[in-house]
Amino acid sequence: QVRLQQWGAGLVRPSETLSLTCDVFGVSLDNSLWTWVRQAPGRGPEWIGEVSHSGHPSYSPSLFGRVTITTDASKRSFSLKMTSLTAADAGVYYCARGRNVYDLDVWGQGTVVTVSS
Amino acid sequence: DIQMTQSPSFLSASVGDTVTLTCRASRPLNGFVNWYQQHPGKAPKLLVSAGTTRSSGVSSRFAGRISGPDSSLTITGLQPDDFASYFCQQALSTPRTFGQGTRLDI
Repeated sequence: QVRLQQWGAGLVRPSETLSLTCDVFGVSLDNSLWTWVRQAPGRGPEWIGEVSHSGHPSYSPSLFGRVTITTDASKRSFSLKMTSLTAADAGVYYCARGRNVYDLDVWGQGTVVTVSS
Repeated sequence: DIQMTQSPSFLSASVGDTVTLTCRASRPLNGFVNWYQQHPGKAPKLLVSAGTTRSSGVSSRFAGRISGPDSSLTITGLQPDDFASYFCQQALSTPRTFGQGTRLDI
């Protein structure tokens, strides 16, 4: 059974960097697209980006230049770094697994991100 | 970016009713649309992939359809746990955008 467990600091100061990691259980990093999604309060989800274990990442153009998604096969995890945070970046951040039809079938539990000094 | 527009934004219904939620993309998706259910404070749950394929374990009361530029999710015989928010997502190209959601209230 595939399970994702995400962790990282949820309180970030303005202009600083958000770092989140998602540990993957029950499957290797092969053959999936490891994805980050965020959701502002009362809004629909927003796709941040995805990466395969061996391919190039793809990021949302609206966040391009601020986001990096990487994988670590040895730790069976993938990570999100987002720089220069502002209040507009607050919300719940989720990691998820994407399959070959580009659906997201397994999700992490979510991390509430607050941007405040 | 492909824009996804869901309608209605809010829908009130009763247990046992049948409802249809709609999603329109700004360009043809060739079936690359997914549907998710989300309860408050929880992660989204995949219901339907590729327009019409129910995810494993999802009740047959949930049916995805495609008609031209529109995708729809029909829920028959509403159960109490069905009252939640529903989101469509296009999977044709990156960024894989979501709709703004339909909130289904009892």
